[in-house]
Amino acid sequence: GQNIDQPTEMTATEGAIVQINCTYQTSGFNGLFWYQQHAGEAPTFLSYNVLDGLEEKGRFSSFLSRSKGYSYLLLKELQMKDSASYLCAVRDTVTGGGNKLTFGTGTQLKVEL
Amino acid sequence: KAGVTQTPRYLIKTRGQQVTLSCSPISGHRSVSWYQQTPGQGLQFLFEYFSETQRNKGNFPGRFSGRQFSNSRSEMNVSTLELGDSALYLCASSLAASGETQYFGPGTRLLVL
Repeated sequence: GQNIDQPTEMTATEGAIVQINCTYQTSGFNGLFWYQQHAGEAPTFLSYNVLDGLEEKGRFSSFLSRSKGYSYLLLKELQMKDSASYLCAVRDTVTGGGNKLTFGTGTQLKVEL
Repeated sequence: KAGVTQTPRYLIKTRGQQVTLSCSPISGHRSVSWYQQTPGQGLQFLFEYFSETQRNKGNFPGRFSGRQFSNSRSEMNVSTLELGDSALYLCASSLAASGETQYFGPGTRLLVL
């Protein structure tokens, strides 16, 4: 099984940088995803890491260390619209392949003026 | 390309009833996964279907079932509804059985009275 931990809430200022951490303990690992979810909406895909290192995509970057069971999502030049829940999810190694994701409970980010 | 669609968007049922939810994946996507999202438990994996076969299953009772049709559309059914089944039910599709990003639909919000 999987156990995923991330902070419940974070607050940051518009224009600043924020780092959301995620740690996981797994019996199998086949990639880590970050999703953004605004209240009342579906999760939208942000990033995917399967190898160690940093993946950068515009204002968003995600880092993975498999040996430490650790990932973070970095958001730069924060905007008010970035206020949302950020979900860390790990994909299991499952027999025969598959897309079973285990999600953390999400980090509610509030961006203030 | 149209995104994942789910019907109905909102549903109210009473305890003991059954419900069927529908999901149409992104065109060309053959894998469909279902998740339950509640404030207390977060996003939890229900099951995944690929080529009309259930590939993975989460830890939910047998009252939760699903199927996939030859056009990749999927349905999930919950029988003998309980109050605790009130949740947002999300469907996600991806290109293949594994190794691909999942894209979520808007969800069906089920309220059991």
